[in-house]
Amino acid sequence: LAKTTQPISMDSYEGQEVNITCSHNNIATNDYITWYQQFPSQGPRFIIQGYKTKVTNEVASLFIPADRKSSTLSLPRVSLSDTAVYYCLVGYSNYQLIWGAGTKLIIKP
Amino acid sequence: GAVVSQHPSRVICKSGTSVKIECRSLDFQATTMFWYRQFPKQSLMLMATSNEGSKATYEQGVEKDKFLINHASLTLSTLTVTSAHPEDSSFYICSATSPVSGGVKETQYFGPGTRLLVL
Repeated sequence: LAKTTQPISMDSYEGQEVNITCSHNNIATNDYITWYQQFPSQGPRFIIQGYKTKVTNEVASLFIPADRKSSTLSLPRVSLSDTAVYYCLVGYSNYQLIWGAGTKLIIKP
Repeated sequence: GAVVSQHPSRVICKSGTSVKIECRSLDFQATTMFWYRQFPKQSLMLMATSNEGSKATYEQGVEKDKFLINHASLTLSTLTVTSAHPEDSSFYICSATSPVSGGVKETQYFGPGTRLLVL
């Protein structure tokens, strides 16, 4: 049974790098991983997506090891405004979408 | 680009009435739209997947006669909560997939959500 697992919560401080890991044991070759950010009472916002190795954009990096059974969202130099819930989503090639339960990230001054 | 809107943003209704929520993709054509429900401090719960011109596919446990979904065009999907009851009070969010988005596959772009309160 496909499952996407991520930590319930994390704390960090302004200026630090934050890494949030998501486990997805049943991922296959063509399945993709997407991360979203959600603020209270708002719809999720796309952060980054990838299949393998490393993807980087202007806000984050996504690291995916060779076995692809996990992936890590990396937020460089976080600020207070990065306090939010971060969701990992795995899109399976059979059109099944499995969301993680979300990681509540709290950034402290 | 890839903006999704929802209307209304907030609605309060009496028990037994029906409520319609609209989801629009403003600057792209969305062949697929998703409807989610989210209770306080909980994760997103997928209710149904809607493809333009065909019947929606509902997730297990979601009553299709209670949550009517219509995806009549490539830019509009509607969710109607029929005979709403207090337990239907929740945050309803839609998303749409854009087939081309800088090479990113199947990215979902979310609307801002609709807060439904049934009295």
